[in-house]
Order: sequence, then C-alpha cells, then structure tokens
Amino acid sequence: EAGVAQSPRYKIIEKRQSVAFWCNPISGHATLYWYQQILGQGPKLLIQFQNNGVVDDSQLPKDRFSAERLKGVDSTLKIQPAKLEDSAVYLCASSEPWTSGRENEQFFGPGTRLTVL
Amino acid sequence: AQTVTQSQPEMSVQEAETVTLSCTYDTSENNYYLFWYKQPPSRQMILVIRQEAYKQQNATENRFSVNFQKAAKSFSLKISDSQLGDTAMYFCAFEGSQGNLIFGKGTKLSVKP
Repeated sequence: EAGVAQSPRYKIIEKRQSVAFWCNPISGHATLYWYQQILGQGPKLLIQFQNNGVVDDSQLPKDRFSAERLKGVDSTLKIQPAKLEDSAVYLCASSEPWTSGRENEQFFGPGTRLTVL
Repeated sequence: AQTVTQSQPEMSVQEAETVTLSCTYDTSENNYYLFWYKQPPSRQMILVIRQEAYKQQNATENRFSVNFQKAAKSFSLKISDSQLGDTAMYFCAFEGSQGNLIFGKGTKLSVKP
C-alpha cells in the first residue's frame, strides 16, 4: 500500500515569509498528526486530527501556525509569518481508525525540511 | 506530564554483536503503550516494536526485543546480531490516555563493519 506522502521535501524561506506543507495520509486512516522535529530532538506533536476534527492542538503556536484537514483526507500546515526557530523537519503521520485494533501504530511520511534564514 | 528520557545520545556496536538502548519514562497512568521507532539517515521513521503496559511478557520482533520494567518505568531495546542497516536514530515513545506520542531525544546508533 502507498505510504504517507508529503510535499515539498525541502523548503528554504526568509523569516517573516509564509510557507505551507501538504500531507496525504494512507487511504482509510482516520487520524492524522503533524509533528515538528528540531535538529537533535525527538518529534513534538503540533496537532492531531480525527477525520476532519481537531483532537489536540495544545502545542500548536496558534499565533503563527494553522492547520486544516478538509474532507477528512489531505491536510495542510501553514506558518505565517515564519521565525528562525521554526527551522525543523515537519513530519506527518497517520493511523488506522479506532476500531481496527491497530489504531496506535502511526505511519510517518518522509517529512518536509524547513530552513528559515 | 509524561516525559521520556533517553540517556545515551550516541552508541556504536560491531556488526553481528548485541547492543541495548536505554529508555526511562515518567507517568502516573497505569494503561499505556511504549514504542521504539527507527529513523535512518534521510529516511522516514518506522515502527520497530511496541509494548502494551498491561502485558507482562516482553515484546519481540525478530532481532529486536525489549526489557519492560513497569515498576521501574524502564523500557530498553535490545538489538541482536546487529546489521549495517540498523544504523539510525532510535526514538523511544510513550502513548497514554490522550492518544498522542511523546518522544525521547533519541539515540544515534552506528553499526560498524
């Protein structure tokens, strides 16, 4: 089966610019996650969707970050305006529906490496 | 709040030998899941092994096994017969009642020929 797709793979922008990332989860996966992975650290959850509803966005810097998952499939994560400290890899992951018995196995995409200059 | 600690930033092992990566965590929950994820250089993160806290038996997946000590809140990963392809960052992760993963900072493992 096809994995989690993300684009672009790399992005370089200057501070105060805007950027958007796209994620297409595995078909049928109800839950979608966005993580931020700063160099030398483990991923940190930014936002979790269940279908097209937000389950957890407690660590999303809402003054500059926004995310949506229209129609419960693809998702976009936007940063506006970007800061130097936003330089990181942004990972998207998805998992099966709660009834599957494997709902807590997350499948990760290749990530988008963002550099803010 | 839950925390995950990996105290070994880097480790190395000779090919075909055994290596153990350490992980400790802190939680007040009784039911939870623990994971080890592997992130090869410039490649995506994949699940290595999973342990349910209510299971006393340690999980195994081929050459990978865990030593889960619930009382000590310890969850180490043992890799037997190490292969060059095992070279990667390894992350320990905790999932509690909120359903989101909390990761440690990772251990960089190098397998040397």
